[in-house]
Amino acid sequence: EADIYQTPRYLVIGTGKKITLECSQTMGHDKMYWYQQDPGMELHLIHYSYGVNSTEKGDLSSESTVSRIRTEHFPLTLESARPSHTSQYLCASSEGGRVWELFFGEGSRLTVL
Amino acid sequence: QKEVEQNSGPLSVPEGAIASLNCTYSDRVSQSFFWYRQYSGKSPELIMSIYSNGDKEDGRFTAQLNKASQYVSLLIRDSQPSDSATYLCAVNDGATNKLIFGTGTLLAVQP
Repeated sequence: EADIYQTPRYLVIGTGKKITLECSQTMGHDKMYWYQQDPGMELHLIHYSYGVNSTEKGDLSSESTVSRIRTEHFPLTLESARPSHTSQYLCASSEGGRVWELFFGEGSRLTVL
Repeated sequence: QKEVEQNSGPLSVPEGAIASLNCTYSDRVSQSFFWYRQYSGKSPELIMSIYSNGDKEDGRFTAQLNKASQYVSLLIRDSQPSDSATYLCAVNDGATNKLIFGTGTLLAVQP
């Protein structure tokens, strides 16, 4: 049973607001990821971290930022939300020996008005 | 741009039949292949991984890999209505060491 949690599950906010999507895992996984998924589209990697104080941008250009101060916590922040940021954001983690066997959180669905 | 291609479906099969889901990929260097299942409104869940040519069986699921043809498939035997979901094929990018996902195939198992 995967133990990875995302909050909030649903968020509706106005343009220009700052938001933080939280992601925490209790499995001790060193690798964590943020994916973006729109209906009918593939998952796109927007950020990843291979350990504390290590973060990298993924393949999809994103105006968001991430931090990894603790192993279990990998929050994603949008400084100024825009309607184009409306999407489903999925957090995932994996352990060192099985880097692509991802455990996903339940997702955060963001709507920017 | 490396790609993972899947037929979007829907693939409709009767209950008890074999469902066959297919995926092709463009990166000849890829070494690791995965099938994730995603129920409507839920997040993906890993159901199969395969790393070498041939078949790998796990319960009612069989993954098949043919690296020469750059083709990976998932067979679901004795399909159940609870198998109705979108199945995502994922392949590692040999150059960047990241996972590339296909858009998924929607499977509908009819009772």
